[in-house]
Amino acid sequence: DQQVKQNSPSLSVQEGRISILNCDYTNSMFDYFLWYKKYPAEGPTFLISISSIKDKNEDGRFTVFLNKSAKHLSLHIVPSQPGDSAVYFCAASGSNYKLTFGKGTLLTVNP
Amino acid sequence: EAGVVQSPRYKIIEKKQPVAFWCNPISGHNTLYWYRQNLGQGPELLIRYENEEAVDDSQLPKDRFSAERLKGVDSTLKIQPAELGDSAVYLCASRSGTGYGNTIYFGEGSWLTVV
Repeated sequence: DQQVKQNSPSLSVQEGRISILNCDYTNSMFDYFLWYKKYPAEGPTFLISISSIKDKNEDGRFTVFLNKSAKHLSLHIVPSQPGDSAVYFCAASGSNYKLTFGKGTLLTVNP
Repeated sequence: EAGVVQSPRYKIIEKKQPVAFWCNPISGHNTLYWYRQNLGQGPELLIRYENEEAVDDSQLPKDRFSAERLKGVDSTLKIQPAELGDSAVYLCASRSGTGYGNTIYFGEGSWLTVV
């Protein structure tokens, strides 16, 4: 039973446009959500997070939106750059500090 | 500040052989995790330490996997004997304190191929 789902295995976007990566979760006990970026042959790198008491968190070109009622979050990257091409993982945790990851979405930003 | 350090980066072994991975977390981070990532999947937790205590090892295959964090700093993950299905990336991560929402930082991973 996958508790964190990223239903799009891949996404291709033109440079300068917006990238929107989606994530759904099923466990209502999750209260903290994170996005990690992963380049080939490297470990995941923390990108941005949001707690369940907020519905939006912004950091430069990256914004995460949380819709608790729909158990859905999304990552917006504006404007997208070729260097953003990577696998993006959505992760969620509850009070046990254990991260549960989705399967990832491969983002390709074309010049 | 140094990040999470793992070694070796890459390891190829024959099935039934033992293998060990080492991790040094970020200085001052009390919580240490070992995750396993299979191809095309997200990382999955194997074990979590708070200082030297393993507080969550429910997903560690204890018949062949073992881990230790003797002094509450660096940690070793061992597989003995390795099976073909153990081929994966083994990720170590650390987190400071027990405060809500503290970020978990990952190392670059140890890539295991069992042949």
